[in-house]
Amino acid sequence: EAQVTQNPRYLITVTGKKLTVTCSQNMNHEYMSWYRQDPGLGLRQIYYSMNVEVTDKGDVPEGYKVSRKEKRNFPLILESPSPNQTSLYFCASSNTLAGPAYNEQFFGPGTRLTVL
Amino acid sequence: AQSVTQLGSHVSVSEGALVLLRCNYSSSVPPYLFWYVQYPNQGLQLLLKYTSAATLVKGINGFEAEFKKSETSFHLTKPSAHMSDAAEYFCAVSGTGTASKLTFGTGTRLQVTL
Repeated sequence: EAQVTQNPRYLITVTGKKLTVTCSQNMNHEYMSWYRQDPGLGLRQIYYSMNVEVTDKGDVPEGYKVSRKEKRNFPLILESPSPNQTSLYFCASSNTLAGPAYNEQFFGPGTRLTVL
Repeated sequence: AQSVTQLGSHVSVSEGALVLLRCNYSSSVPPYLFWYVQYPNQGLQLLLKYTSAATLVKGINGFEAEFKKSETSFHLTKPSAHMSDAAEYFCAVSGTGTASKLTFGTGTRLQVTL
C-alpha cells in the first residue's frame, strides 16, 4: 500500500529534550515536506526537500532541523524543544522533481507533539 | 507570493443541503489551486485540483470547484451534504515554478446536522 508513515503518532516531552520525528514514504517520491498545523493558522511549511541531500527552509523553520540522506526518509529534529512547538505535525511527499504544484501531495497521519 | 483566504472557519449545513465553502486566492502568476479534506485524527487527502485544464473541476465524493479568475475565487461545492462530509477543508495555492510549494488557507470546519 502506498503510504507516508510517521512515528511516533503522539509524543509528550519536556523543554530542552532533543527529539526526532521520523517520516518515511514508499512511493519513491523526490519531494518531501514537513508542516505544522495550529488552530486558526492552517498548515505552515517548516522544511522541504526536493531530493536526497537537498533541503530548504519553509515558512517557519526556526527551532527545527531536517536531513535527507535517503530518498524514502525525511526526519524532523527538534534539538531543544520549547512549549511553542506544541503542535500537530504532518509529513508529506510528492512524486515529481517539478514540485508539488503538478501532482498530489500525500500526507502522513500526523504526530501530535506536546512540549511541557 | 501566493496566498489563500477561506471565508468562514465554521460552516454548518443540514444533511441534504448544498455545501458551499469559500476560497479566494492571491497570486501574481496563474496559480494551481487545491482543496484538501482532513477527517478527524487523519492526515490530509486531496479532494480536487485546478491546473488550468478546465475551470470546473470535479473531485472525489461528489465535490466540485469552479475557478473564476475575474473573482479570484475557487469555491468548493457539493449539491447534497452527507453526514460523512463532516471534516475540515483546506484550500491551497501553488505557483508554477520548479520549486513551488503549497500555501494553505486556515481551514473551514464543516458540520453536517440531521
